[in-house]
Amino acid sequence: TQLLEQSPQFLSIQEGENLTVYCNSSSVFSSLQWYRQEPGEGPVLLVTVVTGGEVKKLKRLTFQFGDARKDSSLHITAAQPGDTGLYLCAGAPGSNYKLTFGKGTLLTVNP
Amino acid sequence: DAGITQSPRHKVTETGTPVTLRCHQTENHRYMYWYRQDPGHGLRLIHYSYGVKDTDKGEVSDGYSVSRSKTEDFLLTLESATSSQTSVYFCAISESGWGEAFFGQGTRLTVV
Repeated sequence: TQLLEQSPQFLSIQEGENLTVYCNSSSVFSSLQWYRQEPGEGPVLLVTVVTGGEVKKLKRLTFQFGDARKDSSLHITAAQPGDTGLYLCAGAPGSNYKLTFGKGTLLTVNP
Repeated sequence: DAGITQSPRHKVTETGTPVTLRCHQTENHRYMYWYRQDPGHGLRLIHYSYGVKDTDKGEVSDGYSVSRSKTEDFLLTLESATSSQTSVYFCAISESGWGEAFFGQGTRLTVV
């Protein structure tokens, strides 16, 4: 069983559309992170959400942490081809340091 | 960019041979991780370290061992490489251990 479930697994949209990807778990996390990975590269940290209900904005990207700190979402407004990549959520549940990743959402934004 | 270097970047090895991958950091971060990334499986934690000589297993540790004798170096050893260990291996470092990790460029390992 995957600790962090991400959906959808694949998403192909046209430039200018909005989208939301989800990261869900049955475990409570002290924080969750979102990363973006491009082909041939390691993941790059986008944001950390810490407080239940927290909303963070990074330009056209909006990240939300669920009230119960078990889930998170990433919303992209007016997607651009440069947003194409693999989006990963991650966290270390409970009091251990096993930083665990979801399988990711592969986003393709077509011009 | 975080100072983290993986070596080698690419390696082809034969089944049954031992292989060691190296991760070197210049950030003095306490936590270091080894992951493998495979299609359909995402990033899976192999082993991690929470200090010098302090390591623990991740979810896919069978067939792998690690060592950390210095803060800056974390070694991953495939004791007897198998074709199922063909993968891209990533090292990551973290100051807090709760997330916010910085990744190396990855090592593409092929076992033939």
